[in-house]
Amino acid sequence: DTGVSQNPRHKITKRGQNVTFRCDPISEHNRLYWYRQTLGQGPEFLTYFQNEAQLEKSRLLSDRFSAERPKGSFSTLEIQRTEQGDSAMYLCASSPGTGGLNTEAFFGQGTRLTVV
Amino acid sequence: AQRVTQPEKLLSVFKGAPVELKCNYSYSGSPELFWYVQYSRQRLQLLLRHISRESIKGFTADLNKGETSFHLKKPFAQEEDSAMYYCALSRYNTDKLIFGTGTRLQVFP
Repeated sequence: DTGVSQNPRHKITKRGQNVTFRCDPISEHNRLYWYRQTLGQGPEFLTYFQNEAQLEKSRLLSDRFSAERPKGSFSTLEIQRTEQGDSAMYLCASSPGTGGLNTEAFFGQGTRLTVV
Repeated sequence: AQRVTQPEKLLSVFKGAPVELKCNYSYSGSPELFWYVQYSRQRLQLLLRHISRESIKGFTADLNKGETSFHLKKPFAQEEDSAMYYCALSRYNTDKLIFGTGTRLQVFP
């Protein structure tokens, strides 16, 4: 499968613990996005990268959240001191980012986080 | 504020019936509008976008700037169309997507 890959697919953690998710975008895609989706809602934008530069962060992204894309390839999303409200599906997407029809976002299958 | 509204959480039709999934948006500039679909146990994928003016799997959507709508239509629904449909917008020439809450389409045999 050459699509966007996310690991792990599921994560159960105790409140207060730190968790880290990984996203491997489609090769050569410049842009990488993180979204969060809770039950009954559409995906909500969290942040995005153009290569290794983090260009925009949503106000949803509290100080406990940090995302990196160190070499412009894979990305990690870390949540520190998890809270029950962090329970959600975390989606990663990538796009070529060259404008026009090349702005289509390709999504991964997501990481489902459950905080108990 | 940028917002996408999908008023129906669930739409149920019989096979062969026409389908219209509603989407309204609010945005002061020139947005790009999309429909994404998620079939059972599959990832979210692009169905169509307004700038392409294509018909995908028999679905079409016309951007109506006067009514700020981008409704998704299909004249004859098929069982395999059953899925979750999300309307989304992005600011012109950027890729950040703002999604609606989604409409589940159920097509009965």
